[in-house]
Amino acid sequence: KNQVEQSPQSLIILEGKNCTLQCNYTVSPFSNLRWYKQDTGRGPVSLTIMTFSENTKSNGRYTATLDADTKQSSLHITASQLSDSASYICVVKAGGYNKLIFGAGTRLAVHP
Amino acid sequence: GAGVSQTPSNKVTEKGKYVELRCDPISGHTALYWYRQSLGQGPEFLIYFQGTGAADDSGLPNDRFFAVRPEGSVSTLKIQRTERGDSAVYLCASSLGQQETQYFGPGTRLLVL
Repeated sequence: KNQVEQSPQSLIILEGKNCTLQCNYTVSPFSNLRWYKQDTGRGPVSLTIMTFSENTKSNGRYTATLDADTKQSSLHITASQLSDSASYICVVKAGGYNKLIFGAGTRLAVHP
Repeated sequence: GAGVSQTPSNKVTEKGKYVELRCDPISGHTALYWYRQSLGQGPEFLIYFQGTGAADDSGLPNDRFFAVRPEGSVSTLKIQRTERGDSAVYLCASSLGQQETQYFGPGTRLLVL
């Protein structure tokens, strides 16, 4: 069964600190992996997208990594800001399918 | 508008009633998706349209759920005989094509009392 699991479920950090969110997937065949940011009461917004051949992708203070052999991805947030408080969702697209498989998300709270 | 819009933003209804949720995709996007998101969970796929036709409706939970996109733009998700378990945020997304990035709307929060 195609699944995406994320950890931790929730995380609290102080403003200015770094953090890393994890994503493990069992999706086959793999097409690509995206990280989305979802603010409370809003729809998800794409942060990064990586295909099989890409190991890392950056978007400002967000850096995503992908290990296609171990089927793991991480999202590293550098110098966190209060506005980073949101849910971060790992999403995997299976090759040949039109629908995305979503993880449950990690709820990040950045405190001053 | 520049993004995907959904109406209403909130909907409260009673068990057994019929509801319609509307999605206006980004202009020119041929692909449109409906998802359902329960509290504390990631979105779950419901149905995907390519143009006017439903290319994949495997995520619809039962025959109380139905969606249309008659002119290949606006889509309506219809839920008959609503149940309390239908309470969730219903998200719509659109993309330029099947393989492109999906852009999400803000969602409709449905509460069935």
